[in-house]
Amino acid sequence: AQSVAQPEDQVNVAEGNPLTVKCTYSVSGNPYLFWYVQYPNRGLQFLLKYITGDNLVKGSYGFEAEFNKSQTSFHLKKPSALVSDSALYFCAVRDRDGNNRLAFGKGNQVVVIP
Amino acid sequence: DGGITQSPKYLFRKEGQNVTLSCEQNLNHDAMYWYRQDPGQGLRLIYYSQIVNDFQKGDIAEGYSVSREKKESFPLTVTSAQKNPTAFYLCASTRLGNQPQHFGDGTRLSIL
Repeated sequence: AQSVAQPEDQVNVAEGNPLTVKCTYSVSGNPYLFWYVQYPNRGLQFLLKYITGDNLVKGSYGFEAEFNKSQTSFHLKKPSALVSDSALYFCAVRDRDGNNRLAFGKGNQVVVIP
Repeated sequence: DGGITQSPKYLFRKEGQNVTLSCEQNLNHDAMYWYRQDPGQGLRLIYYSQIVNDFQKGDIAEGYSVSREKKESFPLTVTSAQKNPTAFYLCASTRLGNQPQHFGDGTRLSIL
């Protein structure tokens, strides 16, 4: 069964500094990988996905993520964090069979300090 | 605009009562999903449906029921058998394949 680990509960970063949110996954075969962001009392918003091809994926709001097959990781990055990036971030994975089920990590709270 | 609408935003349940959460999408998506979100636990899958008149149990289906009579609608009933229903419930939909899931803004269910 597929699974995701997001090892840190909270990530604190100063505004303007680089932001990294870590994600490792477990899946049989090649994965589809996704990052979502959630603001308080809202649904999840899609940020970016890795399907195939270039290991560096660029997404919305200046975010990017790097797929590393040997380390089974898909860390989310942003070169310069904004206060408005403070939110809950979820990594998700699914395998390539036909059931379209996602496995989500428990989420990381990001706090950007002005 | 196309999207997913969940209603109501807040819902209160009395002991022994069944309540139904609504989820409607106008994205023409094939698959729809219900998740439960509890603090620090991420999202857990309750039920999902990939086609009208068919649905499958997720990881925590006990105490819940669903129907998929129309492509655009996937209501979730929280039955009295669900002893700990207080949570934030999220509905999502997607096209089949490698597309991301789109989410509604959730319903927060509490016990009176």
